Amino acid sequence: QKEVEQDPGPLSVPEGAIVSLNCTYSNSAFQYFMWYRQYSRKGPELLMYTYSSGNKEDGRFTAQVDKSSKYISLFIRDSQPSDSATYLCAMSANTGGFKTIFGAGTRLFVKA
Amino acid sequence: EAGVAQSPRYKIIEKRQSVAFWCNPISGHATLYWYQQILGQGPKLLIQFQNNGVVDDSQLPKDRFSAERLKGVDSTLKIQPAKLEDSAVYLCASSWPRQAYTGELFFGEGSRLTVL
Repeated sequence: QKEVEQDPGPLSVPEGAIVSLNCTYSNSAFQYFMWYRQYSRKGPELLMYTYSSGNKEDGRFTAQVDKSSKYISLFIRDSQPSDSATYLCAMSANTGGFKTIFGAGTRLFVKA
Repeated sequence: EAGVAQSPRYKIIEKRQSVAFWCNPISGHATLYWYQQILGQGPKLLIQFQNNGVVDDSQLPKDRFSAERLKGVDSTLKIQPAKLEDSAVYLCASSWPRQAYTGELFFGEGSRLTVL
């Protein structure tokens, strides 16, 4: 079993839709939870991170962490064609030094 | 603020040849990472430096991969000899030391390697 599981998609939605992206994980030691966005042929860029359980909102993006279920989500409101990218969840734990583990990424297409 | 610089952006070699990738992190970032991203997968950490010391190289195939970070700034990742399965994008990232805990990494655009 992988430490971090993420549905690779692709996920195709119309412009303006609410998008829900999710990851599950197995290691209860994970403390920080991140979402990165990666455009084609570019490096990942950090969208937001949260510590432990709870919600965090930044503009059209909301990240949720449920540590009891080992489940994290990213919601995108009013999705735009420019949101079309691969979204990578990531999480870090202190395993003798912090290491950041990435999910496989979900490809999102927002159609105009 | 200048971002993480990587070169070359693209490299095509034949199996058993050698290749080297270079990374210049964001100024002042003490922590530097090399990740391998195979098509359709998430980045996998190969090696993590704190200044010029190695923090984690547990997933670096040391029989063929080597990395160094002289003077705690630039870094070079070398593959010798290359195998077909090394075809991937090699991503360099950097961060302040505390960001290594929070996972706030700044990535370069990557070096895409094709091994024929």
